Amino acid sequence: KAGVTQTPRYLIKTRGQQVTLSCSPISGHRSVSWYQQTPGQGLQFLFEYFSETQRNKGNFPGRFSGRQFSNSRSEMNVSTLELGDSALYLCASTGPGTNTEAFFGQGTRLTVV
Amino acid sequence: QKEVEQNSGPLSVPEGAIASLNCTYSDRGSQSFFWYRQYSGKSPELIMSIYSNGDKEDGRFTAQLNKASQYVSLLIRDSQPSDSATYLCAVNPTNRLAFGKGNQVVVIP
Repeated sequence: KAGVTQTPRYLIKTRGQQVTLSCSPISGHRSVSWYQQTPGQGLQFLFEYFSETQRNKGNFPGRFSGRQFSNSRSEMNVSTLELGDSALYLCASTGPGTNTEAFFGQGTRLTVV
Repeated sequence: QKEVEQNSGPLSVPEGAIASLNCTYSDRGSQSFFWYRQYSGKSPELIMSIYSNGDKEDGRFTAQLNKASQYVSLLIRDSQPSDSATYLCAVNPTNRLAFGKGNQVVVIP
């Protein structure tokens, strides 16, 4: 069974640009959540999608947005990049039912210069 | 008050010893609790989940949950050099995970 797949693995962008990251969850998983990890702040929740609906959102500015498609794949977009957006962006997928175990992808390392 | 707190600094343990990690959380309504292991430069890997009070054992790992005290712990028995990593405590309040800052564990051969 394939795990969570995130693309691309690495990105270098310039301030002011925008970026789109992609996440394909484990087959059968309909919940996808996104996290930002930085050395100073640790792992912080961005948003969570289930069946194409955003169910929960963290405390990030509106420059951070996401969506989920009918096949459960998800994308997140960051517009007007700032230096502080440099981080490891992680996607996690959660299976159906009451089992709330979340499994992470390899992450996308974003560097803003 | 932080949602999830892991206050201990880096933990150095001799190979074969027991490593003990602690975590407290603030949301009494939380029902799901997890421990993740993260190697440097890698993504978090789920190693334990626990949902009810008491102990749960899986191989060399034991998770302990005390909802009354809002406390979760992880014991690593017979620590191996491969256990050297950062261990993250996570709590699931509602459709998301709240993480502690993590505890670095170094197992000394």
